[in-house]
Amino acid sequence: GQNIDQPTEMTATEGAIVQINCTYQTSGFNGLFWYQQHAGEAPTFLSYNVLDGLEEKGRFSSFLSRSKGYSYLLLKELQMKDSASYLCAVRPASGGSYIPTFGRGTSLIVHP
Amino acid sequence: DAGITQSPRYKITETGRQVTLMCHQTWSHSYMFWYRQDLGHGLRLIYYSAAADITDKGEVPDGYVVSRSKTENFPLTLESATRSQTSVYFCASSELTAGSGNTIYFGEGSWLTVV
Repeated sequence: GQNIDQPTEMTATEGAIVQINCTYQTSGFNGLFWYQQHAGEAPTFLSYNVLDGLEEKGRFSSFLSRSKGYSYLLLKELQMKDSASYLCAVRPASGGSYIPTFGRGTSLIVHP
Repeated sequence: DAGITQSPRYKITETGRQVTLMCHQTWSHSYMFWYRQDLGHGLRLIYYSAAADITDKGEVPDGYVVSRSKTENFPLTLESATRSQTSVYFCASSELTAGSGNTIYFGEGSWLTVV
């Protein structure tokens, strides 16, 4: 099985940097996704990490450490529109099924 | 480019009624999924399908039935709705293969209230 842990809620100021952490315990690992979900909308894909290290994509970066079972999503130059829920999802490597399991999400509130 | 569409988007039904949520995708993705999302629980997998005529249970399948006679459609039926099934339901699709990071694409969601 898999166990994924994220903080429930975070707040940050417009223009600042925020780091959203995700820790996981899994019997097999084949990648980690980050999704963004605005209130009342569907989740949308942000990033995918399968190897250790930092992947940068504009204002958003995602980091993975497989040995520590740890990932973070880094959001720079925060904007009000970044207020959303951020979902971490871990993809298993075993059993012939590669279906990601989602964490409960971190609600990020950006204030002026 | 329609992508993945769900209907109805909003539904109110009574306890004990049968309800079917429809899902249609235009990408010919092999995998399709149904999730429910509730406050405090995040996204939980109800059922999934790896191909037409192949379905399997997810984390919370009780009280739900699915079918997949065509690749593009994956309806979810609540045979006898209960208040605990009040939730937001997301259909999703993907081309999940070993060793790839193919993402899951979500429909816009169906808000279901059981009274």
